[in-house]
Amino acid sequence: EVQLLESGGGLVQPGGSLRLSCAASGFTFSSYAMSWVRQAPGKGLEWVSAISGSGGSTYYADSVKGRFTISRDNSKNTLYLQMNSLRAEDTAVYYCAKVGEPSTVTNAFDIWGQGTMVTVSS
Amino acid sequence: QLVLTQSPSASASLGASVKLTCTLSSGHSSYAIAWHQQQPEKGPRYLMKLNSDGSHSKGDGIPDRFSGSSSGAERYLTISSLQSEDEADYYCQTWGTGLWVFGGGTKLTVL
Repeated sequence: EVQLLESGGGLVQPGGSLRLSCAASGFTFSSYAMSWVRQAPGKGLEWVSAISGSGGSTYYADSVKGRFTISRDNSKNTLYLQMNSLRAEDTAVYYCAKVGEPSTVTNAFDIWGQGTMVTVSS
Repeated sequence: QLVLTQSPSASASLGASVKLTCTLSSGHSSYAIAWHQQQPEKGPRYLMKLNSDGSHSKGDGIPDRFSGSSSGAERYLTISSLQSEDEADYYCQTWGTGLWVFGGGTKLTVL
């Protein structure tokens, strides 16, 4: 069964840092681009960042560029999101998602995790 | 600028059909999209990828009641024989070079 399991969320003060992880199983992780998507309380989905299967290409939304870093460890089938200089507006549920076709980056997301909550507050 | 527009809400009766619309911004009418369902208090679930010619490929286990179609810059999700568990938020998604975009979502109420 294809599965994504996020972890690492929690409460952090403004200006602080947090690292999210997403453990993948059930598919050849290194063949697929991966992404992070967030959802603020009561709001819609917002794309945050994406990374190619090899990790050689990364992409960021303007709202997080320069503060967040996406990475992956294909030997551990794990995706990461390092979040620095966190702001109140970064408060959201963070989902990892798998791109639907191998060896492509820009495509639909076909598998989603259950999400991990990040709260930025003093 | 790549933008997707969805109506904020829709409603239909149990057992009826409903057609949700996602509109691509000017100049992007050839783009494919994806539809995702988000039931209350759950993560999103991929429904299908929908091409500009109306062809679509559904995710594993998605019932035949869910279908997609296209016309110009409009992309549609039709749900037939509505069931109570179809009450959810529905998001369309598209993508370009180095970016992914979501519509604002449509909240579907099953009466």
